[in-house]
Amino acid sequence: QLQLQESGPGLVKPSETLSLTCIVSGDSISSSNYYWGWIRQPPGKGLEWIGSIYYSGSTYYNPSLKSRVTVSVDTSKNQFSLKLSSVTAADTAVYYCARQGRWFPYFDYWGQGNMVTVSS
Amino acid sequence: DIQMTQSPSTLSASVGDRVTITCRASQSISNWLAWYQQKPGRAPKLLIYKASSLESGVPSRFSGSGSGTEFTLTINSLQPDDFATYSCQQYKSYSPDTFGQGTKLEIK
Repeated sequence: QLQLQESGPGLVKPSETLSLTCIVSGDSISSSNYYWGWIRQPPGKGLEWIGSIYYSGSTYYNPSLKSRVTVSVDTSKNQFSLKLSSVTAADTAVYYCARQGRWFPYFDYWGQGNMVTVSS
Repeated sequence: DIQMTQSPSTLSASVGDRVTITCRASQSISNWLAWYQQKPGRAPKLLIYKASSLESGVPSRFSGSGSGTEFTLTINSLQPDDFATYSCQQYKSYSPDTFGQGTKLEIK
C-alpha cells in the first residue's frame, strides 16, 4: 500500500525558507509512470499546485511560485523535497505531497498534509 | 493558462438527494478532468478521473460527465459521509490554476 508522509517544521519566520520532505513507502519513487508533486491549501481556501518532479529530476513549477520554489528528489532515500524561499504570511497553508501520473497527471495518492505557519 | 471555475461555491442538500456540481474550463481540456473529495482536516481523495472514470473503491452513486469545457459531478442518493468539499482539476496542461476553487456540500 503506497503511503506518503510529509515532514518538516510547522512554523517558519517571514523571509526565511520553508523546507518540507515527503517520504514515499510502498512504491519506488523511481517508477517510470509517475511524477511526485506538492500542493498547498491556505486556511479556508482551495488547492494550489506548487510543483512536480520526475525521478530523473525533471520538474514543472507553478509560474506564480517558480522564482521561489525548488523541488528535488533523492531516489536513494525514496523521498522528494520542497523548498520555498522568502516566505510571507500568504504562504501559510497545509502542504501536501502526492503521486501524480506521468501521462495523466492527476493526483491519486496524497500525504496527510503538513500545516506550515509563517509568523515571527 | 487554463482556468477552472466551479459552481456553486456552496450547496445545501439533504440525505437522499441527488446533487450536481459543475466545473467549467476557460478552454477545451477534452476529458482531462479529475474530481476530488475533501473532508475537514483530511487530504483530498480522488473520486473520478478522465471526466467519467470512477476510481477504484469509490461508490457508484458518484458519477462524472462532460467534455471540452463543461463538466459535472453528480452524487445520487446522498449519504451522510458525502458531505464534504469537492474540487475539480484539469490535467490537460500544467497551469497555475489547475484546480477549481471547490464546492462545499453541506447538510440542509
